[in-house]
Amino acid sequence: DTGVSQDPRHKITKRGQNVTFRCDPISEHNRLYWYRQTLGQGPEFLTYFQNEAQLEKSRLLSDRFSAERPKGSFSTLEIQRTEQGDSAMYLCASSLDNLAGYGYTFGSGTRLTVV
Amino acid sequence: AQRVTQPEKLLSVFKGAPVELKCNYSYSGSPELFWYVQYSRQRLQLLLRHISRESIKGFTADLNKGETSFHLKKPFAQEEDSAMYYCALTPETSGSRLTFGEGTQLTVNP
Repeated sequence: DTGVSQDPRHKITKRGQNVTFRCDPISEHNRLYWYRQTLGQGPEFLTYFQNEAQLEKSRLLSDRFSAERPKGSFSTLEIQRTEQGDSAMYLCASSLDNLAGYGYTFGSGTRLTVV
Repeated sequence: AQRVTQPEKLLSVFKGAPVELKCNYSYSGSPELFWYVQYSRQRLQLLLRHISRESIKGFTADLNKGETSFHLKKPFAQEEDSAMYYCALTPETSGSRLTFGEGTQLTVNP
């Protein structure tokens, strides 16, 4: 197990296009999280899954954003009709149930640039 | 709603000097607090968590509920400590989202 993997590492897209990112968590982790980080800011929570169930979504997650984790393993985050304000680093993390005790393990992130 | 504040975006010290990275939080209940670190070109990783009262790489952090602070300290800074440091909070009963501060970029000069 090589930790949390994210693909692609970088994505440049034109405004209005759709993009999809993938995250593969640590295999025994049942929780998976998506965060967004813009320049000079800390990561901001977007959504999280426990197994295949999406349990919480931030108000930051507009209707153009959708996340799935169909089999409780990998997850995808799709952004439709991208806007320049979507340019950011998208981070995935995974954890065991007891987050408070152990914290997250983060992936390297996908850097999105919308031109 | 919970909030984490790191008042210093940049902090520069000399090697061997003590260092303290400040973190203040606002939350009405009992939070769980963490420090995460990101070294250059590496992923964000957990440094320490208050619940374990541990010392990692010489760093310690004490939760002060009266002052709602969780400052990170190290008595003698090393050049390899140069990194971005984030303080983060999760509600004790939630176990889901982490709320991060904006981060402090620590530079340890030779």
